[in-house]
Amino acid sequence: DAGITQSPRHKVTETGTPVTLRCHQTENHRYMYWYRQDPGHGLRLIHYSYGVKDTDKGEVSDGYSVSRSKTEDFLLTLESATSSQTSVYFCAISESMGFPQLPNQPQHFGDGTRLSIL
Amino acid sequence: QKEVEQDPGPLSVPEGAIVSLNCTYSNSAFQYFMWYRQYSRKGPELLMYTYSSGNKEDGRFTAQVDKSSKYISLFIRDSQPSDSATYLCARREGTGKLIFGQGTTLQVKP
Repeated sequence: DAGITQSPRHKVTETGTPVTLRCHQTENHRYMYWYRQDPGHGLRLIHYSYGVKDTDKGEVSDGYSVSRSKTEDFLLTLESATSSQTSVYFCAISESMGFPQLPNQPQHFGDGTRLSIL
Repeated sequence: QKEVEQDPGPLSVPEGAIVSLNCTYSNSAFQYFMWYRQYSRKGPELLMYTYSSGNKEDGRFTAQVDKSSKYISLFIRDSQPSDSATYLCARREGTGKLIFGQGTTLQVKP
């Protein structure tokens, strides 16, 4: 296993409530990513981080924010959840051999958080 | 047009068959490709990655890239029921970001 823990694993909440998902890694990898997976769309990148306090947007970042105050933790927040954000959310980590990241370092994924927004 | 296109299937084959899974891509800027396997209710697991045209082999798995036609393939020899999963192809950008296809669901019947 790649040493990635996502929490919670399952969550049901109501529209309009704030939600925070946590990704914790024990590998001390520099790069961390948040994806969502939906039928017909595959995996799509929401946000990623290339270091503590260094984050950038991905393909589907609207409605999401992230924070990374420690190397090991990457948080994804839905400020006001909507039904369209019902999805399975995956965190991934990637090794880095310095900056800029060499292209041959694979991403390893956690087992996901199933989020339902009613 | 999606950057990486993949037929979602499902694909059903008998045990022992050779399986061919395929993707096409549109952006030639950065040609580093990966195949992931995903079991139900689990995260994607890296199977193979390749940075050049030609074949790369690992046990029963062979990854093939044809840059001229922008086509990537994964072949599974002697398929087993344990190979039943969703297979995701992805193109990797310079920042490490992955652009995924939709995934192909494979069922290998005993």
